[in-house]
Amino acid sequence: AQSVSQHNHHVILSEAASLELGCNYSYGGTVNLFWYVQYPGQHLQLLLKYFSGDPLVKGIKGFEAEFIKSKFSFNLRKPSVQWSDTAEYFCAASHFSGNTGKLIFGQGTTLQVKP
Amino acid sequence: SAVISQKPSRDICQRGTSLTIQCQVDSQVTMMFWYRQQPGQSLTLIATANQGSEATYESGFVIDKFPISRPNLTFSTLTVSNMSPEDSSIYLCSVVTGASNTGELFFGEGSRLTVL
Repeated sequence: AQSVSQHNHHVILSEAASLELGCNYSYGGTVNLFWYVQYPGQHLQLLLKYFSGDPLVKGIKGFEAEFIKSKFSFNLRKPSVQWSDTAEYFCAASHFSGNTGKLIFGQGTTLQVKP
Repeated sequence: SAVISQKPSRDICQRGTSLTIQCQVDSQVTMMFWYRQQPGQSLTLIATANQGSEATYESGFVIDKFPISRPNLTFSTLTVSNMSPEDSSIYLCSVVTGASNTGELFFGEGSRLTVL
């Protein structure tokens, strides 16, 4: 079955530390990949997405992710986190093209950044 | 982008009762989606709500348990019927707007249901 797995369930970092959150997917064909973030008390919003082209994608707030097809991975990175990055992060994948809305989500990673 | 409002934001319900969640979007959208996030788990798609036709349900979800209405292009409801404690979850409405040909989903804030 298609699935998305996130390796880290709860991450605690100090401000200015570097961040990398792991995400692996199990699709065999063409895949679209997303990272969503949910800040405390807010709704889910898109951080970045990969559809095709350059495997290194940049998103909002200094986040980036790299699609490595051979490893079925789409890890999220940020060189220096801030206290305001405290949130829950979800990796998601879709193997449909266009606006289908059918995403498979990972379990989520809670990031806590200490000031 | 799209602004999505859900009601109620949270509720506590008794076993065996039903609750209807409303989703209002600030623009017309073709497809609306209902997701569920059970405690400690990831988001799972329940169904796609299409205007003018019956909703399309994912494996494991049925219309009798989760009836959906889509009377127009800006509104949808999801009913959780004959609730049990296992239905305690956050229910999320989401949309893809016509201007976003990227598969990006916009989400409401969710409706947190607790079933006693």
